[in-house]
Amino acid sequence: AQTVTQSQPEMSVQEAETVTLSCTYDTSENNYYLFWYKQPPSRQMILVIRQEAYKQQNATENRFSVNFQKAAKSFSLKISDSQLGDTAMYFCAFMKAQTGANSKLTFGKGITLSVRP
Amino acid sequence: SQTIHQWPATLVQPVGSPLSLECTVEGTSNPNLYWYRQAAGRGLQLLFYSVGIGQISSEVPQNLSASRPQDRQFILSSKKLLLSDSGFYLCAWSGGRRQPQHFGDGTRLSIL
Repeated sequence: AQTVTQSQPEMSVQEAETVTLSCTYDTSENNYYLFWYKQPPSRQMILVIRQEAYKQQNATENRFSVNFQKAAKSFSLKISDSQLGDTAMYFCAFMKAQTGANSKLTFGKGITLSVRP
Repeated sequence: SQTIHQWPATLVQPVGSPLSLECTVEGTSNPNLYWYRQAAGRGLQLLFYSVGIGQISSEVPQNLSASRPQDRQFILSSKKLLLSDSGFYLCAWSGGRRQPQHFGDGTRLSIL
């Protein structure tokens, strides 16, 4: 079974600064996908970024980028130029590539990020 | 584009009453559908998923059930609610194999 660990329950960052959110996972699979989801106070869960394990290049989406270290089983999210709207709970999630048709996700417990004005 | 609708947004129910939460997806066919529960300040627990009409897989034993009467409709039900059923319920869909999941706005369920 897969596990996803987000050991930091809360973080805070000053507006316009950079922050990194940590995530580690445990799996015996060689091919898989990793995701970061954002859940703002409105509670809607929004996909932020996706990484395929077979790709060495780190994924980037505008101000969001990841540092994927496959050997270390680490998948951190970097948010550059933090904005007040980035205040949210962030979840790291894992999906096996050989998942059959169901595409089930395993989620971490989440980290609450507060952006200070 | 695809959209997912989930309702109601908020629900307050007495213990022992029935429950029906509905989720529908537009703009795609044969999606995978999922029901999650999120306790306050916690991660998501997968309750049910469905890869096709009438096909329901349960992840955890519980007081709830799910049904998929139509291709893009997913319903979460209970015959008799318990206090422990309180929480935030999220419906999600995906395009199938290896595709990310996309979530609805959720339903906050409070049991009195």
